[in-house]
Order: sequence, then structure tokens, then C-alpha cells
Amino acid sequence: DIVMTQSPESLTVSLGERATINCKSSQSVFFSSNNKNYLAWYQQKPGQPPKVLIYWASTRESGVPDRFSGSGSGTDFTLTISSLQAEDVAVYYCQQYFSTPVFTFGQGTKLEI
Amino acid sequence: EVQLVDSGGGLVQPGGSLRLSCSASGFTFSIYAMHWVRQGPGKRLEWISAISTTGDSTFYADSVKGRFTISRDNSNNTLYLRMSSLRSDDTAVYYCVKVTSNNWYDYWGQGTLVTVSS
Repeated sequence: DIVMTQSPESLTVSLGERATINCKSSQSVFFSSNNKNYLAWYQQKPGQPPKVLIYWASTRESGVPDRFSGSGSGTDFTLTISSLQAEDVAVYYCQQYFSTPVFTFGQGTKLEI
Repeated sequence: EVQLVDSGGGLVQPGGSLRLSCSASGFTFSIYAMHWVRQGPGKRLEWISAISTTGDSTFYADSVKGRFTISRDNSNNTLYLRMSSLRSDDTAVYYCVKVTSNNWYDYWGQGTLVTVSS
């Protein structure tokens, strides 16, 4: 299975500041035939199921604020929140969906203010 | 509006069985693959099972293979997970998840808690 490793495990950022979360996969999740990275980011708030923020490593889901952005390719990826808002306090997970159907997740990054 | 309603969780003794259900609405259930994902206390999200649109193909994580069975009823828009030989490390919130045609998860159920304890 592809192992996903996130860093840091927890992060404290001030309101209005930038938050950066990293995700590394144990093997490439880039598919050359369609030039896409099979990597998604999810946000999970306490007591709620996860919600997709980003797919194809950098495509924002409809309705997700543009302060959330994803980047990276191959095995190294980043989720950036450009200006942290109070409602962004959550745990963030990366997920690879390259190895169908075993879609593995990172261990999560807890974001606090 | 897409809705996935998980149910069937509860307290069960080690070695016991349970059947989870996920009632789907707001989309054409029969044309999407569906997965089950669980989250143990303090643990990361763990994919545990997948089923094709018709139910002809099923897949399991090694941790549940031989003990869990995924199925679906497209006429009633319902996904199931039959769990047997339950162990304490199966304690988790179980989510049913809708898979997009490109394989990421776009909708999740609210989750149902399974506690395996004597």
C-alpha cells in the first residue's frame, strides 16, 4: 500500500497568517497518461465527517474558499491556507486515490489558532 | 441534495456481529462505486471496503478481509457492511462514502459508532 505521511502533526497559526501542511507519499501518485496527481485534501471539524477541499492535488472543490490552495506533484504535496480564519480550525488529511481501490490517508494535521 | 445516512452501529461483544446500513438519496446511487471508511479513536482514517456499481466486484483491507462483507441494494439505494468476528480494534466510527467517477470522495455519511467491548 502507498503510505502517506503528513507534517507537522499539529500546527498553531495566528488569525490572518498563512498555514502550510505537507504530505509525502511513499510512491508517486502522478499518472502520466492524463498528467494528473491522484491526491486529495480533506478537512474534518470535530464531530463531523471529512469534507473534500482539493482534488487532483490543486483543484478546489466547488464552494471551497480561495484561501485554500494545493500544490505539488509526484510524491510531495502542500496544502496552504493563505489567511487563517477561525472556522479553519480542524484536522486536515491528505489522501491518495492512485492505487484503486485502496485509498490511503495521511495521519492528519491538527490546525489550531 | 445528496444525503448518506449511516446506521446500525452500537455496542457489541468481542466475537459478535453487526450490520451497518447507509441509505443514499439525492443522486443516482446505482452508477457510483461506494466505500466504507472507518476512524478509530485517535487514529487516522482507514479505507476498509469498496464495492462496484453493480456489486459484482468487492474489495477489502487486509485488516477486515474474511470478517466483513460489503453489499448494496440498488433498488433501495442502500449500502451495507456486514461485520463478524468483531475485535476490540474494530472500535471506530464507520462512514459510508460516495466515490466520484474520478475516485476521490465527494460525500460522506455522518458516521455510525461501533464499540467492541465486553
